[in-house]
Amino acid sequence: EDQVTQSPEALRLQEGESSSLNCSYTVSGLRGLFWYRQDPGKGPEFLFTLYSAGEEKEKERLKATLTKKESFLHITAPKPEDSATYLCAVLSGGSGGGADGLTFGKGTHLIIQP
Amino acid sequence: DAGITQSPRHKVTETGTPVTLRCHQTENHRYMYWYRQDPGHGLRLIHYSYGVKDTDKGEVSDGYSVSRSKTEDFLLTLESATSSQTSVYFCAISVRQGPDTQYFGPGTRLTVL
Repeated sequence: EDQVTQSPEALRLQEGESSSLNCSYTVSGLRGLFWYRQDPGKGPEFLFTLYSAGEEKEKERLKATLTKKESFLHITAPKPEDSATYLCAVLSGGSGGGADGLTFGKGTHLIIQP
Repeated sequence: DAGITQSPRHKVTETGTPVTLRCHQTENHRYMYWYRQDPGHGLRLIHYSYGVKDTDKGEVSDGYSVSRSKTEDFLLTLESATSSQTSVYFCAISVRQGPDTQYFGPGTRLTVL
């Protein structure tokens, strides 16, 4: 069974204080690892897809990296508008009881204080 | 914006009543999904569809059925709603760019009293 564990559950930072969110995973044949951002009352917003170990992707103040066991979402000099819940998900042949379903972690709730 | 709408956006119903949630997409994508999101759990897959009239079960399918008679619409039905089905329901579509990046709709908040 695929498993995704995110840490920490919650993180409070000062504006400009860089940090990293962790996503550890156990899957049978990783087809992709996904990062989403979710604001209160809204659906998850796609950020990145990572396909293989060693891959990195960047978007504004966010950078996602992938190893064979975990992924990190690095946030550099965050601003208050970066406050959200960040979700990690994996896709494999055994995901979610169906071949195409994502398995999600519980998320990291990030608060950036001015 | 993946062109996904969900209706209704909010619904309150009573135990034992049937409920149907609708997901509509405007771009004719083949793959559609229903997830539920609950505190203390990640999003969990309920059912998915890989074409008109082609559907399959996900991790938490008990108590739910789905139908897809047109490419653009994917319906989720709770035949007899229970309090344990109080949740936020999200529809997603896959645009099949490489390994199946999924894009999510705005969600439906369902409360079963």
